[in-house]
Amino acid sequence: KNQVEQSPQSLIILEGKNCTLQCNYTVSPFSNLRWYKQDTGRGPVSLTIMTFSENTKSNGRYTATLDADTKQSSLHITASQLSDSASYICVVTLANQAGTALIFGKGTTLSVSS
Amino acid sequence: GAVVSQHPSWVICKSGTSVKIECRSLDFQATTMFWYRQFPKQSLMLMATSNEGSKATYEQGVEKDKFLINHASLTLSTLTVTSAHPEDSSFYICSARFRGTSVPGTQYFGPGTRLTVL
Repeated sequence: KNQVEQSPQSLIILEGKNCTLQCNYTVSPFSNLRWYKQDTGRGPVSLTIMTFSENTKSNGRYTATLDADTKQSSLHITASQLSDSASYICVVTLANQAGTALIFGKGTTLSVSS
Repeated sequence: GAVVSQHPSWVICKSGTSVKIECRSLDFQATTMFWYRQFPKQSLMLMATSNEGSKATYEQGVEKDKFLINHASLTLSTLTVTSAHPEDSSFYICSARFRGTSVPGTQYFGPGTRLTVL
């Protein structure tokens, strides 16, 4: 079964600290993996995208890694800010003969406090 | 980058009434639009996929007569929740795939519409 599991479910950190969010997937055939940031009451916004051959991708203070062998990805946030408080969703694109489909994780809710 | 807008951003209605949500792609032609529903602390759940000029394809368990989707042009898709009930209260998000998109799975999400049915 195609699934995306994220951990932790929620996380609270102090402003300025770093954190790492995890994503494990069992999606096949795999096309790419994206991390999205979703602010409360808003739609998801793409942070990074990685294909099978990419191990790491950065976008400012966000760095995503991908291990296609173990089917794991992580999103590292450096020097967190209050505005980083949001839900972070890992999404894997499934590519098959029927087309492409997005498999969503349930997200990790990050709260950054001062 | 591509921008997708939704209107309204939130709506409150009485049980039994119908509500229409608009999804517009700004400045780009959306060959495919997707409608998602998201309950609190849950992931986005795909409801239906619509291609311009053709009937929408609904996911299993989604009632097509209750959730009417119209994709009349390359910049506008509408979702009408008919005879809404409290259990339909949710966050509805649309997304669009644009002509010329080469990376698989690329969708641009709208800001969402919060529907509350009393």
